[in-house]
Amino acid sequence: DVKVTQSSRYLVKRTGEKVFLECVQDMDHENMFWYRQDPGLGLRLIYFSYDVKMKEKGDIPEGYSVSREKKERFSLILESASTNQTSMYLCASSRPTAGGKDTEAFFGQGTRLTVV
Amino acid sequence: AQSVAQPEDQVNVAEGNPLTVKCTYSVSGNPYLFWYVQYPNRGLQFLLKYITGDNLVKGSYGFEAEFNKSQTSFHLKKPSALVSDSALYFCAVRALASGGSYIPTFGRGTSLIVHP
Repeated sequence: DVKVTQSSRYLVKRTGEKVFLECVQDMDHENMFWYRQDPGLGLRLIYFSYDVKMKEKGDIPEGYSVSREKKERFSLILESASTNQTSMYLCASSRPTAGGKDTEAFFGQGTRLTVV
Repeated sequence: AQSVAQPEDQVNVAEGNPLTVKCTYSVSGNPYLFWYVQYPNRGLQFLLKYITGDNLVKGSYGFEAEFNKSQTSFHLKKPSALVSDSALYFCAVRALASGGSYIPTFGRGTSLIVHP
């Protein structure tokens, strides 16, 4: 069974802390993504990576950074957590689209982060 | 820009009745379209996709979707709704990012409520 695993389901952090959200996939996928989900706003892309050590900004990268040192692991970093970063964070992976096979994304279970 | 729109925030249907969750898209070139479902406090699960071929696509849990090129729509349907279908549904399109990679771009989601 294919899996995307996020290290925490729930996190509570203090304002100003540096926060690491970890994501690991076992499908040998090249593409990995970080989204945040907020009510009424759907999923918004923060960063994505299409290869080891490669990263691209998504729609809302401000206040975040990422790291992809190994193919299976994609980390999201909140440099200095703020209350407006309280949200559900979703990691996903996919195979590069070619020929229509396995083009869908596979998601982790999500991390609900609360910044107080 | 490539995007999807889900015009309804919420859809209510009685158990046993047919259901439709609407999605329209805007893409250049051939669209790759997807539906995902999210149960409370969980990540997204893939339901079905349209890449090419038959306009009627069948997916998991008895869901299907109809691709309509002239109306640029990809509505999700099920002939007979179950209470357990109550969840948040997301339509997505594969969008070309600036670096040449493809990324999933999501609608805002539609909450489906099936009443007993």
